[in-house]
Amino acid sequence: SQKIEQNSEALNIQEGKTATLTCNYTNYSPAYLQWYRQDPGRGPVFLLLIRENEKEKRKERLKVTFDTTLKQSLFHITASQPADSATYLCALALYSSASKIIFGSGTRLSIRP
Amino acid sequence: EPEVTQTPSHQVTQMGQEVILRCVPISNHLYFYWYRQILGQKVEFLVSFYNNEISEKSEIFDDQFSVERPDGSNFTLKIRSTKLEDSAMYFCASNEQPNEKLFFGSGTQLSVL
Repeated sequence: SQKIEQNSEALNIQEGKTATLTCNYTNYSPAYLQWYRQDPGRGPVFLLLIRENEKEKRKERLKVTFDTTLKQSLFHITASQPADSATYLCALALYSSASKIIFGSGTRLSIRP
Repeated sequence: EPEVTQTPSHQVTQMGQEVILRCVPISNHLYFYWYRQILGQKVEFLVSFYNNEISEKSEIFDDQFSVERPDGSNFTLKIRSTKLEDSAMYFCASNEQPNEKLFFGSGTQLSVL
């Protein structure tokens, strides 16, 4: 069956450390993989997109990697801050469905001061 | 920055009633989407819409659901006869190209009593 799994439901780390979130997928062929941030009661907000032929993307303190052999993406937040506390969603845009982006269940990240 | 706007922010309805959720996508976007999120669960794809037609729909999007672009700016989701299990946050989203980053609205919280 097709699945998108994010490593853990919740992750709790100390301010200043690097947060690493994992997204694994099975039985999908994504063209793009995207990461979003969602705060309680709000819509997801786009953070980064990485294409299947790209290994790594960076934006300020954020870094995403994409390994199509392992069927995995890693999302890193360096020098984490309490304001980074939110739920982070990975999403797949598929070759097989040109206008359907599907989401994982998310990882709730808490940064403690 | 341009925004996707959704109205109303909250909608309470009786089971069996029809509801229409409204969205104004970003003006130069061509692809429109509805997603829903049941409390504590993942963001689920319902339908995508392009060029006045449904492009993709999920199993959730059955005959009780319909979408329409009644004029040049609005995009609506209609639920014909609401059920208790339709209670969820409904998000509208849009993008310029399929599979590219999605811009989400702030959602309509639908409560079916």
